[in-house]
Amino acid sequence: SQQGEEDPQALSIQEGENATMNCSYKTSINNLQWYRQNSGRGLVHLILIRSNEREKHSGRLRVTLDTSKKSSSLLITASRAADTASYFCATALGGSEKLVFGKGTKLTVNP
Amino acid sequence: NAGVMQNPRHLVRRRGQEARLRCSPMKGHSHVYWYRQLPEEGLKFMVYLQKENIIDESGMPKERFSAEFPKEGPSILRIQQVVRGDSAAYFCASSPRLTQPIEQYFGPGTRLTVT
Repeated sequence: SQQGEEDPQALSIQEGENATMNCSYKTSINNLQWYRQNSGRGLVHLILIRSNEREKHSGRLRVTLDTSKKSSSLLITASRAADTASYFCATALGGSEKLVFGKGTKLTVNP
Repeated sequence: NAGVMQNPRHLVRRRGQEARLRCSPMKGHSHVYWYRQLPEEGLKFMVYLQKENIIDESGMPKERFSAEFPKEGPSILRIQQVVRGDSAAYFCASSPRLTQPIEQYFGPGTRLTVT
């Protein structure tokens, strides 16, 4: 089964609104990363948060991590049509090199 | 500094043929990872290689799939006797593995279609 599970599976909002996506995972992690994938394209790394961090910001992105609940959230503020994409969380398990991805949240931002 | 390069970007193979996917890591990166993405799914880890070594192949199917990363040249993911279920996007990532946490940089992917 997936280590990371995002919800919702799909999210549709209007331009200018905020979008929040959540990710839950099962086992202890070293860090958690969020990626964006535009339709039919490769992955773009957005932000990495370490297991000892609680919150991180990058431009319009805000990521939180709650290791006690084994969950993370990605907030995109003041969304734009160009933010339309699938967003994935990925975790690196303790001592492992490989990333384990969730199924993603498909975000649609309507102009 | 060019990013991770993959070729071909699209590959069509008939059932039973062989597929060869190539990945050139970023300059200075000696670690390569291959992932597979089925439609509407997340990426699934397949294999992790260093130059001339397979470090972790726990995600590779037991048959028909192989990977290499020679001393010179790109990493190759090889799928023999392809079947329809192999149709997917295959992504390569590379890292320098000089710092922790390890950041992986992804290529644009190869979309394999088996007819």
